[in-house]
Amino acid sequence: EPEVTQTPSHQVTQMGQEVILRCVPISNHLYFYWYRQILGQKVEFLVSFYNNEISEKSEIFDDQFSVERPDGSNFTLKIRSTKLEDSAMYFCASSETRMLNTEAFFGQGTRLTVV
Amino acid sequence: DQQVKQNSPSLSVQEGRISILNCDYTNSMFDYFLWYKKYPAEGPTFLISISSIKDKNEDGRFTVFLNKSAKHLSLHIVPSQPGDSAVYFCAAKFGNEKLTFGTGTRLTIIP
Repeated sequence: EPEVTQTPSHQVTQMGQEVILRCVPISNHLYFYWYRQILGQKVEFLVSFYNNEISEKSEIFDDQFSVERPDGSNFTLKIRSTKLEDSAMYFCASSETRMLNTEAFFGQGTRLTVV
Repeated sequence: DQQVKQNSPSLSVQEGRISILNCDYTNSMFDYFLWYKKYPAEGPTFLISISSIKDKNEDGRFTVFLNKSAKHLSLHIVPSQPGDSAVYFCAAKFGNEKLTFGTGTRLTIIP
């Protein structure tokens, strides 16, 4: 069964460093997303991406964040200068269409720990 | 701004009995609702969904009910099995692909 894969599974970084979280969406999917879950809190939407551009972003997704689809298969989330409060599970997701009744498929997540 | 709320952080149910997980929402613009299941160290897995034009959708042991007037939906699992032990997230969306999640309910099935 096709799945969304994320690497690494766990990333530890020092505050102020840049991190890149990587995702390989399901191959025929066209819509890509990043969500995050801070420990003990709900899953929160960060950004959606379609046709090589951001289609929607939340207020969390400030200038420190960027997304890219560099090579037609990978979908990356970059945090330029990490803060302690960026520590969370980051989930990549993809969906085939933008139709209302389409579910998003999630990867297993990357646990980011900022120290 | 909790547009989707799951007021029960945890629920324990005997194996074989019915599990009922509840979810309330405040945004009347939501027109599609989903339930995701999450095991530790894994991403959310899609379980079942319902459009706002329906009041019930069934898939095997899982049934989702939607009460639009009360802005309430529920997930019924019957019979409950030990493998159903997980965190269940209610999610909603309107007009686009962004999902708004609830805080989750940890379901424990007691053998």
